[in-house]
Amino acid sequence: AQSVTQLGSHVSVSEGALVLLRCNYSSSVPPYLFWYVQYPNQGLQLLLKYTTGATLVKGINGFEAEFKKSETSFHLTKPSAHMSDAAEYFCAVSAGGYSTLTFGKGTMLLVSP
Amino acid sequence: DSGVTQTPKHLITATGQRVTLRCSPRSGDLSVYWYQQSLDQGLQFLIQYYNGEERAKGNILERFSAQQFPDLHSELNLSSLELGDSALYFCASSASTGAWGEQYFGPGTRLTVT
Repeated sequence: AQSVTQLGSHVSVSEGALVLLRCNYSSSVPPYLFWYVQYPNQGLQLLLKYTTGATLVKGINGFEAEFKKSETSFHLTKPSAHMSDAAEYFCAVSAGGYSTLTFGKGTMLLVSP
Repeated sequence: DSGVTQTPKHLITATGQRVTLRCSPRSGDLSVYWYQQSLDQGLQFLIQYYNGEERAKGNILERFSAQQFPDLHSELNLSSLELGDSALYFCASSASTGAWGEQYFGPGTRLTVT
């Protein structure tokens, strides 16, 4: 079985500051890892995903995440926050193949001017 | 716009009632997933259909059922509703059967049970 832990239900940053959203996973097999973003009153949108290959994954809107097997982590970063980044971010894990996604509880990113 | 449509956007009903939520996937996508999002449980996978057949089941109650029709739209039926069923229900679609593919989420149906 897979599980995801997102550290911090809320993260606050100032505009222009580094964004770091933490995600740790548990999986009995090599995982597929995802970050989704949910803007207010909208569905989820894929930011980036790791399946195999390069462990540093770049996504949309300047976000990237690094798969660290030894730390069972897949933290999401962005060098400089914009006001438009304010949203809820979900980390998800899959065992690959035909398995489904297991989502974390989500982290609300608040960006102040 | 993800290309996934869900109707209705909002639904208010009473305990004990039955409702049907509808989802139309993106053009060409064969997989449909249903999720329930609530404050206490977070985002929970309910069920997946692929080309009309049930492919995977998650934390779906026996009072809930779903189906995918030949035109690939899907319906989620919720019966004997309880207050705790109040939540946002999302449908997502994907071109693939597996979770390696991107899932495109609809805007959701907000269900309020009173």
